[in-house]
Amino acid sequence: DQQVKQNSPSLSVQEGRISILNCDYTNSMFDYFLWYKKYPAEGPTFLISISSIKDKNEDGRFTVFLNKSAKHLSLHIVPSQPGDSAVYFCAASDMEYGNKLVFGAGTILRVKS
Amino acid sequence: EPEVTQTPSHQVTQMGQEVILRCVPISNHLYFYWYRQILGQKVEFLVSFYNNEISEKSEIFDDQFSVERPDGSNFTLKIRSTKLEDSAMYFCASCRDNQPQHFGDGTRLSIL
Repeated sequence: DQQVKQNSPSLSVQEGRISILNCDYTNSMFDYFLWYKKYPAEGPTFLISISSIKDKNEDGRFTVFLNKSAKHLSLHIVPSQPGDSAVYFCAASDMEYGNKLVFGAGTILRVKS
Repeated sequence: EPEVTQTPSHQVTQMGQEVILRCVPISNHLYFYWYRQILGQKVEFLVSFYNNEISEKSEIFDDQFSVERPDGSNFTLKIRSTKLEDSAMYFCASCRDNQPQHFGDGTRLSIL
């Protein structure tokens, strides 16, 4: 099942710089896109989401961009902090929040101080 | 902040035995889910539950699996006769209308 793809298994960024995590999807029915952060031995923690009617959503240091024509979304973290080091999952859902999430494989972000 | 809680954190079971994984969703949430993550693989959907019934289930969720909300606060996943390939992290999640899903910290299920 390759409906949601995160092609970069890992990313290393210097503290204070921008982290850009990418995600591609294939299912045109997806209407909501979410980013989750996961630390070891914990469950995924919701970070930010975007509806398909928008192309950008911002929350503090986190911004998600959606390009529907390219079926691509990205998460920007600026400035990056060492505490941001975690696995980041892209997830997608069709229709509404009550529906199941389809996850990408995750990207390990390491922020170096 | 309210959390989804899961017990136990680690369950070790002999193949063929029944196992029950327990979850306490956030109290005012209406939608409940189970996901699993086999080591090295993606988080994958198992089942969703709303209004006291299954609303959707994946191909993984066969007759060996069942879910229950026995008392209005707990949400359980039962695997009737476990197989080696059931070894995974099992995550419970819940949400309200038009809100993102919140996940518990998971139960690591090890089948011997």
